[in-house]
Amino acid sequence: SQKIEQNSEALNIQEGKTATLTCNYTNYSPAYLQWYRQDPGRGPVFLLLIRENEKEKRKERLKVTFDTTLKQSLFHITASQPADSATYLCALDSHGNKLVFGAGTILRVKS
Amino acid sequence: DVKVTQSSRYLVKRTGEKVFLECVQDMDHENMFWYRQDPGLGLRLIYFSYDVKMKEKGDIPEGYSVSREKKERFSLILESASTNQTSMYLCASSSGQVHSYEQYFGPGTRLTVT
Repeated sequence: SQKIEQNSEALNIQEGKTATLTCNYTNYSPAYLQWYRQDPGRGPVFLLLIRENEKEKRKERLKVTFDTTLKQSLFHITASQPADSATYLCALDSHGNKLVFGAGTILRVKS
Repeated sequence: DVKVTQSSRYLVKRTGEKVFLECVQDMDHENMFWYRQDPGLGLRLIYFSYDVKMKEKGDIPEGYSVSREKKERFSLILESASTNQTSMYLCASSSGQVHSYEQYFGPGTRLTVT
């Protein structure tokens, strides 16, 4: 069956460290993968998109990698801040503009 | 900035009531989506629409219907609300342009059915 898996346990890290979140998938062949941030009680906000032919993408303190052989994407936040605390969702394409989302990983950055 | 608005942030309805959730986007996007989000399950797609008057079932359409009479507006209808439809409902839109696949979400409607 098709599955997208993100760490179900919250990730707790110290301010200034790099946070690394994982997204694994099975039985999908996505052309691209996206990461979203969601704050409590709000809708997700798009962060980054990476295509299947791209190994890595960066935006300010964010970095995403995409390994289609391992069927895995890693999402890194460098120099993390308490304001980065949120739930992070990965999503991959399934038939055109339709997305399938993971359940998300809660990140808590402590000062 | 893209703006997606939803008609209510919080809604409480009784079992058996007909419920309308409205979503409006102001970016002339072709695609619109309705999701529900439950703890531990993530976002699940209920229905989506690629164009006015067009709709397609998502992964969990049972108990729901939709309407898209105008490009900017996409409505989700619960014909007879049940307690298992208590959830956070999120609307999203995206451009139909190639290589522009990110979705823009509204703030969500937290629906409680008692």
